[in-house]
Amino acid sequence: GAVVSQHPSRVICKSGTSVKIECRSLDFQATTMFWYRQFPKQSLMLMATSNEGSKATYEQGVEKDKFLINHASLTLSTLTVTSAHPEDSSFYICSATTDNTGELFFGEGSRLTVL
Amino acid sequence: KNEVEQSPQNLTAQEGEFITINCSYSVGISALHWLQQHPGGGIVSLFMLSSGKKKHGRLIATINIQEKHSSLHITASHPRDSAVYICAVKSGGSNYKLTFGKGTLLTVNP
Repeated sequence: GAVVSQHPSRVICKSGTSVKIECRSLDFQATTMFWYRQFPKQSLMLMATSNEGSKATYEQGVEKDKFLINHASLTLSTLTVTSAHPEDSSFYICSATTDNTGELFFGEGSRLTVL
Repeated sequence: KNEVEQSPQNLTAQEGEFITINCSYSVGISALHWLQQHPGGGIVSLFMLSSGKKKHGRLIATINIQEKHSSLHITASHPRDSAVYICAVKSGGSNYKLTFGKGTLLTVNP
């Protein structure tokens, strides 16, 4: 089946630094990618939807200047957490779809810890 | 009230038991997903349903559009089935935004 790879799987950073998380579709072209965050024992929450070559659409309450999303190619989307703070510590997950089948493929997730 | 409700929240079973996890939703949908999340966090999409029933190995998923209800069944459960199972629905339209249930934590003991 289709594979979506996220990197890094775990990252620890100091408060105030920026962290980039990559989401790659390995064997298909992802026209749309989604970024979610998940706090412990909580549901996934959609942060933003990104389409290749266009600006991401952010959900209400998500700061677009803090969570920069770039979808520069059909196989890569990146999420950059800028000026990270401890409250940004969370599990970030991406998913991707080709839109042709409607199926959604999820990455393994990236656990961010901000000290 | 969450638009997607799952029950039970926690489920403990003995190896070999038949498992049922339920999902009810309150909005019109075009598709429903069942997802599996292991302790490490990675998510696997098990099924995508818009009607009827699907089977994959020991897993069976059903959906009743009129009753706005779906079930995920696991036959002959095994400890490796221990995970969080999440129901997510996609409302109609071209936007693939999903609404997620809170998940059901399944623990299968040997």
